[in-house]
Amino acid sequence: GENVEQHPSTLSVQEGDSAVIKCTYSDSASNYFPWYKQELGKRPQLIIDIRSNVGEKKDQRIAVTLNKTAKHFSLHITETQPEDSAVYFCAASADDSNYQLIWGAGTKLIIKP
Amino acid sequence: NAGVTQTPKFQVLKTGQSMTLQCAQDMNHNSMYWYRQDPGMGLRLIYYSASEGTTDKGEVPNGYNVSRLNKREFSLRLESAAPSQTSVYFCASSELMNTEAFFGQGTRLTVV
Repeated sequence: GENVEQHPSTLSVQEGDSAVIKCTYSDSASNYFPWYKQELGKRPQLIIDIRSNVGEKKDQRIAVTLNKTAKHFSLHITETQPEDSAVYFCAASADDSNYQLIWGAGTKLIIKP
Repeated sequence: NAGVTQTPKFQVLKTGQSMTLQCAQDMNHNSMYWYRQDPGMGLRLIYYSASEGTTDKGEVPNGYNVSRLNKREFSLRLESAAPSQTSVYFCASSELMNTEAFFGQGTRLTVV
C-alpha cells in the first residue's frame, strides 16, 4: 500500500525567508497530492493541491512541485509571515486504492520574528 | 452554511463503554470520512463512504463501525472503547474522493 514520508518534522525560519517541506510517496499510481494546513487547535484546511499531469502549481506565496520520476513533491512558501506558523500535512492518493488519502506525519513550521 | 458539523466536541469514556460520534454536512457532498489524529502520526483514515449507500474500511478500522445514514450524515461508533482509542477524531466530506476535503471541528476523545 501507499506510504508517505514527510520531512522535516519541524522547520524554523526567519520571517520573510522561504520554507520548503518535502514528501516522498511509494505508490507510483498515486495521482493526487494535496497539502493541508492545521493551526493549533483547529481543523485541517486545504491550501493547495496538484495532480500528476501537472509539474508545478502556484497560488500567491505558495507553490507545489511534483517529480513523478523520483516520487516526491514539495511545498514552497515564500516571504513567510507569522500567520504561516502551523502544522502542514502532505497526502497522496491513487485510483488503485479507491482514492484513499494517505497522509504524511506533518511538519511544524515556526516563523521567527 | 455550517459546512461539516460533528458532535460532541469532547468526550470521556470508561474502558468498555460505547458511544457514537455524529457528523453532518450541508454541502451536498458525495464522500465522507472519519479520521483519527494522534501526535506525530498525521491523520489516519478509519472508514470512508465514497457515496451514499457505501462504506469501506480505511487504514485503521478495527474497533470501529460506521453508518452512512443518508447523504448528509455519517456516524462513527465505538462498541467497546479502549485506551488505545484515545485520540482526536475528525469527520470530513468532499464532493468526490480525490477532491478538497472539508473537516469538522474535531472530537477529543479520552478513554480511561
